[in-house]
Amino acid sequence: EVQLVESGGGLVQPGGSLRLSCAASGFTFSNNAMSWVRQAPGKGLEWVSAISGSGGSKHYADSVKGRFTMSRDNSKNTMYLQMNSLRVEDSAVYYCAKSTGSESFYKVDYWGQGTLVTVSS
Amino acid sequence: QTVVTQEPSLTVSPGGTVTLTCASSTGAVTSSYYPNWFQQKPGQAPRTLIYSTSNKHSWTPVRFAGSLLGGKAALTLSGVQPEDEAEYYCLLYYGGAQLLFGGGTKLTVL
Repeated sequence: EVQLVESGGGLVQPGGSLRLSCAASGFTFSNNAMSWVRQAPGKGLEWVSAISGSGGSKHYADSVKGRFTMSRDNSKNTMYLQMNSLRVEDSAVYYCAKSTGSESFYKVDYWGQGTLVTVSS
Repeated sequence: QTVVTQEPSLTVSPGGTVTLTCASSTGAVTSSYYPNWFQQKPGQAPRTLIYSTSNKHSWTPVRFAGSLLGGKAALTLSGVQPEDEAEYYCLLYYGGAQLLFGGGTKLTVL
């Protein structure tokens, strides 16, 4: 059974940093691209970033480019999102999502349950 | 700035048929946009229904169908059930791994 479990969310002040993790199980982690998607309270979904199965390709939404860094450790079946220079508008539930292939960012199948990030003073 | 547009809300009667659409401000949506469709119920994570325009996952009910319709991606629900009441989001691929979600359609079954 595929499982994606996010962790690392919490309350942080504007300008601060936070690192989210997504622990994966139930599939061969290195064979699949992964993404982060966020949802602000009461709002719609926003794609944040994606990484290929090997970790060699990374892509970011313009809203987080230069501030967020995505990485993965295939030996630990875990993906990360390092978030720096956080803004109030980054407050959201952050979901990790699995794609069906190593480069097929656009074919999403499984989702985690999300972790809440609140940026506030 | 590219925008993906969905109907904000739709209402359908149980047993009825409804089509949700997903348009791109850049022009006609084609299969090269690899449209995905997701269902989200209150307090839950999204669930993927459709990928690459019309392909279903093993858990996608038969009554859900994806297609291209009049230059848009479309999700048609046939024989709507009360449990289909939810928010539905489309996702389009713009190349270079740039992905955009639509604003979502709130589907009411009434």
